[in-house]
Amino acid sequence: EAGVTQSPTHLIKTRGQQATLRCSPISGHTSVYWYQQALGLGLQFLLWYDEGEERNRGNFPPRFSGRQFPNYSSELNVNALELEDSALYLCASSLGAGVGNEQFFGPGTRLTVL
Amino acid sequence: LAKTTQPISMDSYEGQEVNITCSHNNIATNDYITWYQQFPSQGPRFIIQGYKTKVTNEVASLFIPADRKSSTLSLPRVSLSDTAVYYCLVGDSNYQLIWGAGTKLIIKP
Repeated sequence: EAGVTQSPTHLIKTRGQQATLRCSPISGHTSVYWYQQALGLGLQFLLWYDEGEERNRGNFPPRFSGRQFPNYSSELNVNALELEDSALYLCASSLGAGVGNEQFFGPGTRLTVL
Repeated sequence: LAKTTQPISMDSYEGQEVNITCSHNNIATNDYITWYQQFPSQGPRFIIQGYKTKVTNEVASLFIPADRKSSTLSLPRVSLSDTAVYYCLVGDSNYQLIWGAGTKLIIKP
């Protein structure tokens, strides 16, 4: 069974541009989570989608947004990129919502903002 | 609002038992407590989860006291390959997911 996939692996942008990151969950999983992990730091929760709806978002500005498609894949958009947005962006999926549902993580997208 | 606290880092030696404690208050009364492991340049992966008392699987044990205000991940007889960052994950009363800041565990030979 295929795991969570993310694309692209690496993304280089300049300040002020927009970035789009994509995630395909494990087949059958309806919940998708997005996290930001700056170099050497812990996970920062960004967004959670379940059944096509945004269920929760972390403490990030509105220029971080996303959506979940009918096939449960998801997209994270970051507008007006800033240097501090440089980080590893991880996507995870789970069968359902809540702590008790194991999250399976993808390999991440490394975003570099110059 | 739920909050978690973990030690920033810990050192141990091969063959030792390592215990990492996460303090968490105001967590949901009916949700699990889960621990994840993360190696450099990889996403976290599930280790163990529990609701109360003690849970054991092939890689770890999880101890949760009756008040559920903390949980302790126990790694028996660690090896160099257990060097990683360990995160606790809990839910609050509004079913928000609260991740700990992570404990960097370094195993020495």
